[in-house]
Amino acid sequence: DTGVSQDPRHKITKRGQNVTFRCDPISEHNRLYWYRQTLGQGPEFLTYFQNEAQLEKSRLLSDRFSAERPKGSFSTLEIQRTEQGDSAMYLCASSSTSGTFLFFGQGTRLTVV
Amino acid sequence: EDQVTQSPEALRLQEGESSSLNCSYTVSGLRGLFWYRQDPGKGPEFLFTLYSAGEEKEKERLKATLTKKESFLHITAPKPEDSATYLCAVRRNSGNTPLVFGKGTRLSVIA
Repeated sequence: DTGVSQDPRHKITKRGQNVTFRCDPISEHNRLYWYRQTLGQGPEFLTYFQNEAQLEKSRLLSDRFSAERPKGSFSTLEIQRTEQGDSAMYLCASSSTSGTFLFFGQGTRLTVV
Repeated sequence: EDQVTQSPEALRLQEGESSSLNCSYTVSGLRGLFWYRQDPGKGPEFLFTLYSAGEEKEKERLKATLTKKESFLHITAPKPEDSATYLCAVRRNSGNTPLVFGKGTRLSVIA
């Protein structure tokens, strides 16, 4: 399968713990996006990379969130000191340079208890 | 600010009962309007991109149309396997702006 891959698919954590998610984009895509989706809502943009450069961050991305894309390949999204409001589906997507089509992964479902 | 409003929030159809989903948008310079399908617990799956008013795209029982203010996703003779949430998104025609999504329409097709 050469689609966008996310790991883990599900994560349950206690409030205050740190969590890290990984996204492997489609190999020839140089743009990578992170979105967050809560129940009954559409995906909300968090941040995106072109190669290893993080080009834009949403106001939703608080100081507790950090994303990296070393060497322009896979990306990680870390949430520090998790809160119950962080419970959501975290979606990763990738696209080519034109960025016209975004292909999404299956998401990581985070539950903070 | 770019806005996307989808209606209805939920739609229940009998198998074979055709209908349409609406996506109204406000964006300063539309680069593209996108339709995605999302099954429960999964990521969105790309369906169509529309670029200019009057454009239409078809795929099996689905047909997407675009005007200057809204897009419609027409579902002809739906089957239970068409049950999903349908998401609409827009991209502005300036810079590398991300997709802005609506909340989606949750479609249920009953056999």
